[in-house]
Amino acid sequence: DAKTTQPPSMDCAEGRAANLPCNHSTISGNEYVYWYRQIHSQGPQYIIHGLKNNETNEMASLIITEDRKSSTLILPHATLRDTAVYYCIVGLMDSSYKLIFGSGTRLLVRP
Amino acid sequence: GAVVSQHPSRVICKSGTSVKIECRSLDFQATTMFWYRQFPKQSLMLMATSNEGSKATYEQGVEKDKFLINHASLTLSTLTVTSAHPEDSSFYICSATEFTVYNEQFFGPGTRLTVL
Repeated sequence: DAKTTQPPSMDCAEGRAANLPCNHSTISGNEYVYWYRQIHSQGPQYIIHGLKNNETNEMASLIITEDRKSSTLILPHATLRDTAVYYCIVGLMDSSYKLIFGSGTRLLVRP
Repeated sequence: GAVVSQHPSRVICKSGTSVKIECRSLDFQATTMFWYRQFPKQSLMLMATSNEGSKATYEQGVEKDKFLINHASLTLSTLTVTSAHPEDSSFYICSATEFTVYNEQFFGPGTRLTVL
């Protein structure tokens, strides 16, 4: 499975955009980029995923570089409830579909 | 989104006993379920993948005789920690999906196991 590299921690001010980077230089052509987050002592929560194109949903935007070797998750207006560990994961979307979690980025949203 | 539940949420047991954790998909049929373990301040570690009606596929280093997984129906998977020891104390999380329908895994709230 392709591995990802994320900064261990970041912080941002409440109401500002949080931009979380992820490197996945060994991603293969048919692997997707997924983002999940885990709030303390809870199960992970799906945020967004993409293959090549940028994606946006009600939670976040995902920007994938043209060479697909890196991506950025954007939370446009971070709130205190967005404080969590964010995981960037690459994987296939087929019968072998499984998520291998790395160490993630601990995002702290400051009041 | 789809909902996955786990029972119990917390369990404390004595060393040497077995503990069963249930994972249920409440509003969808899950052909595939996953079990993860998470130690304090660490990331989730995938233990095994189970497909309904088939034997589970365990990740390297996970003892299948110690962590028994049963996925007998499309809405229920169970993880039994046999002869539990203090080092098995951890946060166990399941997830479920039907990959032909959904583009994501739906995670349960987790079960905190403490072995005394």
